[in-house]
Amino acid sequence: DAGVIQSPRHEVTEMGQEVTLRCKPISGHDYLFWYRQTMMRGLELLIYFNNNVPIDDSGMPEDRFSAKMPNASFSTLKIQPSEPRDSAVYFCASRWTGNTEAFFGQGTRLTVV
Amino acid sequence: GENVEQHPSTLSVQEGDSAVIKCTYSDSASNYFPWYKQELGKGPQLIIDIRSNVGEKKDQRIAVTLNKTAKHFSLHITETQPEDSAVYFCAARTNAGKSTFGDGTTLTVKP
Repeated sequence: DAGVIQSPRHEVTEMGQEVTLRCKPISGHDYLFWYRQTMMRGLELLIYFNNNVPIDDSGMPEDRFSAKMPNASFSTLKIQPSEPRDSAVYFCASRWTGNTEAFFGQGTRLTVV
Repeated sequence: GENVEQHPSTLSVQEGDSAVIKCTYSDSASNYFPWYKQELGKGPQLIIDIRSNVGEKKDQRIAVTLNKTAKHFSLHITETQPEDSAVYFCAARTNAGKSTFGDGTTLTVKP
């Protein structure tokens, strides 16, 4: 398995634009997590899904952020409109109920100018 | 909710010395404690974990200890090597499924 795949690896966008980050979890994993990492706030859990259903979105900072998981092999995190303070590295992670280990993707470095 | 504190934020050791990173947690329902290593430009990778029914676990040069009563757990790396240099994160998780991470420790191993 290629692991958790995120795209794009880097994204530079202008303030006000819509940004969509994509994640393909490891096949068979039923949990999917979206994290944001910054120097100031560390690793923050934004939202997580179990069997494609959002379980806890209390970490989503504002209504500008939304996440979907239309099927077991794909999830998106959308920011609309984007702001400079959204600049961060966004990680997707997945795991299987029967295993405690969560596997992280390589992350998407987002820069909003 | 869960709160995880991690110390120190930076740690510098000489090659061959030991490194210890400590974490405390607040939610007594937490029962799983993973440690992740993050290298530059990469996502965190699990290096060792421990469940609440175990007090200590070892894997070669890496060991983790857990004190449930005091709600703290520690990562011990012995015989450190330059390739151990990275950011290390502790985390705590309940059966609810989500992990709360510490703020990370930047470990530098000087040759």
